[in-house]
Amino acid sequence: AQSVAQPEDQVNVAEGNPLTVKCTYSVSGNPYLFWYVQYPNRGLQFLLKYITGDNLVKGSYGFEAEFNKSQTSFHLKKPSALVSDSALYFCAVRDSSDSWGKLQFGAGTQVVVTP
Amino acid sequence: DAGVIQSPRHEVTEMGQEVTLRCKPISGHDYLFWYRQTMMRGLELLIYFNNNVPIDDSGMPEDRFSAKMPNASFSTLKIQPSEPRDSAVYFCASSPGVGEQFFGPGTRLTVL
Repeated sequence: AQSVAQPEDQVNVAEGNPLTVKCTYSVSGNPYLFWYVQYPNRGLQFLLKYITGDNLVKGSYGFEAEFNKSQTSFHLKKPSALVSDSALYFCAVRDSSDSWGKLQFGAGTQVVVTP
Repeated sequence: DAGVIQSPRHEVTEMGQEVTLRCKPISGHDYLFWYRQTMMRGLELLIYFNNNVPIDDSGMPEDRFSAKMPNASFSTLKIQPSEPRDSAVYFCASSPGVGEQFFGPGTRLTVL
């Protein structure tokens, strides 16, 4: 079975400061990992993914994430946060041994960036 | 591409009425997913299809919920009869395979 944990319900950061949103996962096989962002009254938007290869993945809007196999983590980062980054962020995982395309989503982390 | 299209965007109905939510996936995507999002339960996977065939409906809460995908470009999620606890935002998503899922804008359902 696959699972995802986002240990923080909310992250508060000042504009211009680094932003980190934490995610840990558990899968039987190799993980496929994803980050999504949801703005108010909108659907989820894909940010970035790790399938294989380089552990540091770069995505949309200046976000990046680092895959750490030993710590089973896939934390989302942005060097300098913007007020417009305030949104709900979801981490998701899929087990590579699963032949279907089902993703397991975390509970989400609300990011609040203050001016 | 227009992305995943859902209709209606908002639905207000009374308890006991039938509700039908509609989804048009992105052309060429083999997978279609229905999710429900609430404050209390977060994002829940209800059912998903591969090549129009339901693969896993274990997330469907009750027999009042049913979903169909008659062809590659259309799916429906039906609730009959609806109850106030069904109030939520329902998302449809599609995927070409092992990669990311693309979400529609959602349908906000309110059952009075």
